[in-house]
Amino acid sequence: DAKTTQPNSMESNEEEPVHLPCNHSTISGTDYIHWYRQLPSQGPEYVIHGLTSNVNNRMASLAIAEDRKSSTLILHRATLRDAAVYYCILRSSSNFGNEKLTFGTGTRLTIIP
Amino acid sequence: NAGVTQTPKFQVLKTGQSMTLQCAQDMNHEYMSWYRQDPGMGLRLIHYSVGAGITDQGEVPNGYNVSRSTTEDFPLRLLSAAPSQTSVYFCASRTTYREGGGYTFGSGTRLTVV
Repeated sequence: DAKTTQPNSMESNEEEPVHLPCNHSTISGTDYIHWYRQLPSQGPEYVIHGLTSNVNNRMASLAIAEDRKSSTLILHRATLRDAAVYYCILRSSSNFGNEKLTFGTGTRLTIIP
Repeated sequence: NAGVTQTPKFQVLKTGQSMTLQCAQDMNHEYMSWYRQDPGMGLRLIHYSVGAGITDQGEVPNGYNVSRSTTEDFPLRLLSAAPSQTSVYFCASRTTYREGGGYTFGSGTRLTVV
């Protein structure tokens, strides 16, 4: 399975933008890039996903490098409720059924008031 | 609210006991799966199902059974609980009709085996 690499932890000030990086140098052409976050004592929550083009939704933006070997999750204005562990995951669309989501240890984001 | 519902939220078992973790979703999702989360290890896939009557093993299936008799329900059975199965268990589902789409996770079942 293609793997992702994320920093273990990051800090950001409240109301400022946050850029969470993810490296996935072994990504294949059929892999979607997914981001999830997990708040304390809760299940993972889907944030955003993309394939090649940058994506925006109400929660965040996803910037994907042209070679797709890296991506960045952008929280435009961090709040205290954004403090969570953020996971960058690759999901293949070519292997329907056995589409294991490989969760690493993610990036623990701390928001400073 | 629509989503994935897991019961119970907490459970303590004695070694050797059996139990079933329940998972239900009301979004008509075809794909359902079970993960366990252990400290410092991320989530690992136990079993998954691509539709009623179809199940398959994930990364760590030993000691667990599943069945999928309806689209809505995907129970996880622990056959003979062991301390190594102490973990937080998450059920997740997604539709198969949106290419590359995201999963909806339940809030988890925290299981302790003593």
